[in-house]
Amino acid sequence: QVQLQESGPGLVMPSQTLSLTCTVSGGSISSGGYYWSWLRQHPEKGLEWIGFILNSATTAYNPSLKGRVTISVDSSENQFSLQLSSVTAADTAVFYCARCARFDQAFGVDVWGQGTTVTVSS
Amino acid sequence: EIVLTQSPGTVSLSPGERATLSCRASQSVSSNYLAWYQQKVGQAPRLLIYGASRRATGIPDRFSGSGSGTDFTLTISRLEPEDFAVYYCQHYGTSVWTFGQGTKVEIK
Repeated sequence: QVQLQESGPGLVMPSQTLSLTCTVSGGSISSGGYYWSWLRQHPEKGLEWIGFILNSATTAYNPSLKGRVTISVDSSENQFSLQLSSVTAADTAVFYCARCARFDQAFGVDVWGQGTTVTVSS
Repeated sequence: EIVLTQSPGTVSLSPGERATLSCRASQSVSSNYLAWYQQKVGQAPRLLIYGASRRATGIPDRFSGSGSGTDFTLTISRLEPEDFAVYYCQHYGTSVWTFGQGTKVEIK
C-alpha cells in the first residue's frame, strides 16, 4: 500500500524558508485524483491544513498562511514538496504529508506520513 | 470559513462504555465533506469516517458517524482500550479545510 515519508531539516532560522519533501512509495504520485497535502500540528494543539496539489498542477493553500506557501511535485522522484517562507517561531510544529482521496462525492485523508518536527529558532 | 466546534473537550469513560462525540459547524455543510480522525500520542491521525457516516477501510464497526447540516456525531459503541485517544472532525471547504479542536477520550 502507499506509504509517505517526510524529510527535511529539523531546525530552521527565523525569516528563512522551511523546505520539506514527501517521498511516496508503493504507488505513483502521478495516479490521478489524489490531493497530495501538507498539514501541521503545533505543540499540544490541533491540526491545521496547509495546502494541497492535485494532478501535479492545481494547488490550493490555507489563506491564513498569507501567500507564504508553495507546494510542488517532482514526478520523476515520486515526491512532493512544501516551501514555507519567512518563518517565525509560530511556525514551529509537526508537519505531516498526506494523501487525500475522493470516495464518490466524499473526501478523506487516508494516508499520512509519520510526521516530522520542525523548530524555528536562531 | 467553516468553524467546527467539538464537545466535550475531554470525556472520561471506562472500557466497554459508549462514547458520543459532537462536532458542530458554524453553518450548514454537506455531509460529503465531513470526516472524523483518531490520533494517539506520538502518532499521525487515522481516518475513521468520511462522508459523515462511511467507515474507512479497516475501521471496526463499533465506530459510527451520523448527522447532517450543522450537527455531526461520532459514536464508539463499546470502548476498547486502544480507543482512548483524541478525535478530530474535519470539513473539506472549497477554499480551506478546517478541523475541530479535538475531543480527548480518556480512561476513567
